[in-house]
Amino acid sequence: SAVISQKPSRDICQRGTSLTIQCQVDSQVTMMFWYRQQPGQSLTLIATANQGSEATYESGFVIDKFPISRPNLTFSTLTVSNMSPEDSSIYLCSVGLAQGNEQYFGPGTRLTVT
Amino acid sequence: SQKIEQNSEALNIQEGKTATLTCNYTNYSPAYLQWYRQDPGRGPVFLLLIRENEKEKRKERLKVTFDTTLKQSLFHITASQPADSATYLCARASGSARQLTFGSGTQLTVLP
Repeated sequence: SAVISQKPSRDICQRGTSLTIQCQVDSQVTMMFWYRQQPGQSLTLIATANQGSEATYESGFVIDKFPISRPNLTFSTLTVSNMSPEDSSIYLCSVGLAQGNEQYFGPGTRLTVT
Repeated sequence: SQKIEQNSEALNIQEGKTATLTCNYTNYSPAYLQWYRQDPGRGPVFLLLIRENEKEKRKERLKVTFDTTLKQSLFHITASQPADSATYLCARASGSARQLTFGSGTQLTVLP
């Protein structure tokens, strides 16, 4: 298994600003994933983050809006840029320990944009 | 398009009964399906994975079935307890990195 922490746990931000969310894992992992969970909804994959290469974004998500860094095998950041109220969501990171197996999720970052 | 759907948004059952949650998929044949539990304010927690060649898998009071003919997975919680109240998500993996696509989830409430 893996233990994942996220910072911040929650934040309230003003429209037009940016917020960077950090994800730290207690072991080295190849793949990390970033999800968004809008109020009352299920999880939607934003992007897959590989160490040492560009993140791969899902349809509807772009790098300019959600830049991702993956500097090493235990850490990643997701930035939500130029925020609007529609970006108010919970943002979660996860890791997969072996291809094809389960994922382990962080506790999430609850973002409110006013 | 490839879809994974959980038909029930909410399910209420009496303590001690068996809860049965449904996950249907269309337009593809997943090699396996996963089930997660999510509590309010928490990230999902992995429960069970069932492969297409497995009819059934069990873990304590949990049981998952996989019917490739019906394109359906059923998730059962036997002898349910109020502590089982949570949202349960099914998910399929795809892509080279095995990215997960989640169903909409079923919110289970076990009434004492």
